[in-house]
Amino acid sequence: DGGITQSPKYLFRKEGQNVTLSCEQNLNHDAMYWYRQDPGQGLRLIYYSQIVNDFQKGDIAEGYSVSREKKESFPLTVTSAQKNPTAFYLCASGTQGVGSSGYTFGSGTRLTVV
Amino acid sequence: QKEVEQDPGPLSVPEGAIVSLNCTYSNSAFQYFMWYRQYSRKGPELLMYTYSSGNKEDGRFTAQVDKSSKYISLFIRDSQPSDSATYLCAMSTGDMRFGAGTRLTVKP
Repeated sequence: DGGITQSPKYLFRKEGQNVTLSCEQNLNHDAMYWYRQDPGQGLRLIYYSQIVNDFQKGDIAEGYSVSREKKESFPLTVTSAQKNPTAFYLCASGTQGVGSSGYTFGSGTRLTVV
Repeated sequence: QKEVEQDPGPLSVPEGAIVSLNCTYSNSAFQYFMWYRQYSRKGPELLMYTYSSGNKEDGRFTAQVDKSSKYISLFIRDSQPSDSATYLCAMSTGDMRFGAGTRLTVKP
C-alpha cells in the first residue's frame, strides 16, 4: 500500500542535541512538507520541497534543517538552535499544483526535550 | 488576524446529532478547500475536498463553501462516537493554510 512512513513515533532529545526525524513516501509525489503542530495553533509549515535537491523555508524554519536527496525521502533535523522543540511533527506529500488534491500525511513523530 | 480562523472548541454532542463545523478566512484568492480529520496521536487524513464555491456530499458528510462570505462549513449527520476527532479546515491557492482544528466528541 502507498503511504508515508514517519519514524520514530516518539523521540526524546537532550538539551544541546541535534535529532533527525525520518519521512519516507512511496506515492511518487513530487512535493513534500514538514509541519509542526502545537495545541491550539494548528499546523505551521517548517520546510517544503517541490523537487529533488531543492527545498524552501516555511513560516518557522529557524532551528531546523532538511535535505531532499531522493524523491522518496525528506528528513528533518531539529538542531540545538531550536529553543522550544517539544511538539508533534508531521510530514506530508502531495502532487504539484498543490491545491489540486490535498496532502497525504504521515502518522507523526512526537518530540520531547528531556 | 490569522488567514484562517477556526473555533478550537471543544465541541461535545450526543450520538445521532447533526454537527456543524466552520472556518472563516481572509484571503479571497483561496480556490481549494479541504477538511481533514485527525484522531488522537495520528496524522490528519483528507475527509472532504471542494473546489471553489458550492456543496459536496459524501455519505454523512457535507462540505459547503461560500466564497462571498469567506466561510466554509462541514456538516456531519447522524454523528457516531467514531467521529470523535479533531477536524481541521484547510485552504489553498498553491500555498496551503490550515485552521487550528476543532476537537469534537460524540457521546454514546
